[in-house]
Amino acid sequence: EADIYQTPRYLVIGTGKKITLECSQTMGHDKMYWYQQDPGMELHLIHYSYGVNSTEKGDLSSESTVSRIRTEHFPLTLESARPSHTSQYLCASSVRVLNYGYTFGSGTRLTVV
Amino acid sequence: ELKVEQNPLFLSMQEGKNYTIYCNYSTTSDRLYWYRQDPGKSLESLFVLLSNGAVKQEGRLMASLDTKARLSTLHITAAVHDLSATYFCAVDIRGGTNFGNEKLTFGTGTRLTIIP
Repeated sequence: EADIYQTPRYLVIGTGKKITLECSQTMGHDKMYWYQQDPGMELHLIHYSYGVNSTEKGDLSSESTVSRIRTEHFPLTLESARPSHTSQYLCASSVRVLNYGYTFGSGTRLTVV
Repeated sequence: ELKVEQNPLFLSMQEGKNYTIYCNYSTTSDRLYWYRQDPGKSLESLFVLLSNGAVKQEGRLMASLDTKARLSTLHITAAVHDLSATYFCAVDIRGGTNFGNEKLTFGTGTRLTIIP
C-alpha cells in the first residue's frame, strides 16, 4: 500500500495552462524529490527538498517550481505548460536509516497539447 | 559530477538462461540501489546495497556491490517471462559536507525482455 501519493495520475492539458502536480507522503520523511522521466529513459532529478522551507534545483534544468511548506507536501508547479514538458513526473521521499532507501509515488503522466 | 552507467541498455534472452547487468559509477558512494520498472508504472525497490562486498538475493535475482571497483551487478538466474521489465541502478551521494544531504542519481536503465 502506497505511503506516497501523487495526483493526478494522468493529465492532458493545453499549451500555456498553469498546472500543479501534487505529492504527499504520510511517513514523516524529511527528504522529498521530483524526477522527470521520458518513456523508457533514465530518471533525472529536477527538484529536491531536505525539509520545510528548503528547496533546491536538481541536475536537470526545469522550468517548474516547487514549494515545501509542510513536511508531508511537495507540490510541483508549471506556470505555463509547453509540449516539451510532456513527460512522466515521479515524486519520492526518503529517510537515512540503515537499509532504507527511497519510496516512489505512482507518478503523473503529463501530456501538453 | 556523478555518472552512472549501465550495460547493456537492451537485453533479450530466452527463458531458463542466466545473465548479468552491470552498473558502474564514477565517484565514491556509500549506497547503491536496484529498481524495477514495468511499462507505464512507477519504480519498485529491489535491493539496497550498503557496503563493499554486499550481496543480496531475492528469488532469481542477486545483486552485489564492489565499492573499490565502483561496480554493482544484478544477476538473473534461470530467467522467466515475469522478469521482463526495465532495471535501473541508482547511486546515493552526499551533497556538500552535511551528513544526510544525499541525492539519488540513476543509471540509463536496462530493458530486459525474456523470450519464452
